[in-house]
Amino acid sequence: DAKTTQPNSMESNEEEPVHLPCNHSTISGTDYIHWYRQLPSQGPEYVIHGLTSNVNNRMASLAIAEDRKSSTLILHRATLRDAAVYYCILERSGGSNYKLTFGKGTLLTVNP
Amino acid sequence: DGGITQSPKYLFRKEGQNVTLSCEQNLNHDAMYWYRQDPGQGLRLIYYSQIVNDFQKGDIAEGYSVSREKKESFPLTVTSAQKNPTAFYLCASSYRDRPTYEQYFGPGTRLTVT
Repeated sequence: DAKTTQPNSMESNEEEPVHLPCNHSTISGTDYIHWYRQLPSQGPEYVIHGLTSNVNNRMASLAIAEDRKSSTLILHRATLRDAAVYYCILERSGGSNYKLTFGKGTLLTVNP
Repeated sequence: DGGITQSPKYLFRKEGQNVTLSCEQNLNHDAMYWYRQDPGQGLRLIYYSQIVNDFQKGDIAEGYSVSREKKESFPLTVTSAQKNPTAFYLCASSYRDRPTYEQYFGPGTRLTVT
C-alpha cells in the first residue's frame, strides 16, 4: 500500500483557518485520498475524500496537488471541537481488499 | 437512528480467558471491519468481512477469530493465544459495491486483560 507522511502535531487558534498537510509521493492513479479524524476515546470519523479535483463539504475542504503527490485538509474556521488526531489515508479503488491503512496521524490542538 | 453499536464500552478479563466483543450495525452495509488501537498509535486491521459467511485476515489476525452469520453482526473473539490483548478495539462498516466508500466507526471497546 502507498504510504502517507503527516506532521506529528500542529497547533491552531480558535476561529482561524487550519491547513493540515499530507505527502503521498508514491500514490498511484487509482488511489483515493481519504481524511478521517479521531476525538479522544472515540472511533474515527470520516471527514472527506477525493481523487483528483479539490473537494468541499460541510466539514472541510480538500486541496489536491496537480501531481497528486500531496494534499491539504483545510478547516476554514477551527473550533475547540476540531481538536483531534487527523489521518490522511490512501485507498486503492477497484481492488478486492477494501482496506484503509491508518498511520499515526496529526494531533491538532486548538487554542481558545 | 442508523449507526454502529459496540458493547461493552469497557471490558476486564483475566489472562487465559477468551472474550467476545460485540459489533452490530443497522446501516445495511455489506462490509464490516475490526481494528485494534494501542496508545499513541494508529489503527491496525484485524479482520474484515465483505459479505455474510465470508471474512479475511487483516494485518494482525493472530490470536483473534470472527464470524459473520448475519449482515448486521460481526463479533470478534480475543483468544488466549493473543499475546497482548489489552487495547482499544474498534468496529467499522461500509458499503462494498462502489469505487470508494467511507467507513463508519463504532464507539469502541476498551479491553483490559490482567
